[in-house]
Amino acid sequence: QKEVEQDPGPLSVPEGAIVSLNCTYSNSAFQYFMWYRQYSRKGPELLMYTYSSGNKEDGRFTAQVDKSSKYISLFIRDSQPSDSATYLCAYLGGSARQLTFGSGTQLTVLP
Amino acid sequence: SQTIHQWPATLVQPVGSPLSLECTVEGTSNPNLYWYRQAAGRGLQLLFYSVGIGQISSEVPQNLSASRPQDRQFILSSKKLLLSDSGFYLCAWRWGAAGNTIYFGEGSWLTVV
Repeated sequence: QKEVEQDPGPLSVPEGAIVSLNCTYSNSAFQYFMWYRQYSRKGPELLMYTYSSGNKEDGRFTAQVDKSSKYISLFIRDSQPSDSATYLCAYLGGSARQLTFGSGTQLTVLP
Repeated sequence: SQTIHQWPATLVQPVGSPLSLECTVEGTSNPNLYWYRQAAGRGLQLLFYSVGIGQISSEVPQNLSASRPQDRQFILSSKKLLLSDSGFYLCAWRWGAAGNTIYFGEGSWLTVV
């Protein structure tokens, strides 16, 4: 079982839609979770990080962690074509505090 | 502010040739440094990490190596490239032991032909 499982997509939505991106994780000791956005042929850009359970909001983006179900989500409100990218969930842990990533979800927002 | 530079951005190398990718971080000291690889259509795989000068840990056995000759410099090398080494290589950094977020460079696209 992979430590982080992510819906692979691809996901295509119309402009203005609410987007829900999801990951599950296996180790209940995980505490720090990140969401990265990666445009084609670019390095991942940190969008949000959350600690333990709860919600964190930043503009149109909301990150949610449900430790009881080991589920993390990223919601994008009023999605824009510029949001079209691959979204990667990750947790921070291990001996060197490195990131372990999900495989990414490719999102396309259609104008 | 902190910035991370990675080069070259793109390279095409023949099988059996050497490789050197370089990464430097500005605006911080004693960062943790990482090399990740992203194969086409796949997630990011940690290759090496370093917590200090000369301290390198390898996560995946392969024909690649890493070195950290200076505090903010991280180098990925190979003596002889394989076709399977093709991919997108990403350098990343984190604030020392207390940092809870990792920041990536722009990446280097390597095609081995």
